[in-house]
Amino acid sequence: NAGVTQTPKFQVLKTGQSMTLQCAQDMNHNSMYWYRQDPGMGLRLIYYSASEGTTDKGEVPNGYNVSRLNKREFSLRLESAAPSQTSVYFCASSGPWRGGQIGELFFGEGSRLTVL
Amino acid sequence: AQSVTQLDSQVPVFEEAPVELRCNYSSSVSVYLFWYVQYPNQGLQLLLKYLSGSTLVESINGFEAEFNKSQTSFHLRKPSVHISDTAEYFCAVSDYTGNQFYFGTGTSLTVIP
Repeated sequence: NAGVTQTPKFQVLKTGQSMTLQCAQDMNHNSMYWYRQDPGMGLRLIYYSASEGTTDKGEVPNGYNVSRLNKREFSLRLESAAPSQTSVYFCASSGPWRGGQIGELFFGEGSRLTVL
Repeated sequence: AQSVTQLDSQVPVFEEAPVELRCNYSSSVSVYLFWYVQYPNQGLQLLLKYLSGSTLVESINGFEAEFNKSQTSFHLRKPSVHISDTAEYFCAVSDYTGNQFYFGTGTSLTVIP
């Protein structure tokens, strides 16, 4: 009953280093998302993937890349980390839209990233 | 594009008192509306949602929200709060595609014993 699993939970980077946040869901959902959460700014969408093989930019995509590896996995990569990317990152997934009913978002527990 | 405004960043309230958390949205198209709750060091969980039909929606733990199209609002209410309701609450909106969810900045609810 894992739902959405993110790794790592904590990470400290130096400016310029790269890293990848991993996300996997076991609910057979089509759509997956990466958000960042900053104090006073709520959640902002970085990238999303409406289905396997497709990705689209969200509100704040600069400095990030994503890969939808398969239906289960959606990774977020920081090629050259900057202090402005210090944040809590959340992965989420949602099920298919059936008969006018929209799926809710299921969130992972978050990955806390600090860039020094 | 859609946007969500949560006017109150922090709401302190005494235990067993009523509470209202305000949410207003803007959109040029029909939207779906959600309230999510985030407990400390956890991800967000769905509290309730409005898709269509009755404008009053309820959660299993006593919260309710009313969709008001004319005022573009989706305020969250609870008639009597409990200590365990202390959390961050986020209002969110999605367009009819369901591909993008837009979140407000959140309201921190603190229930005082």
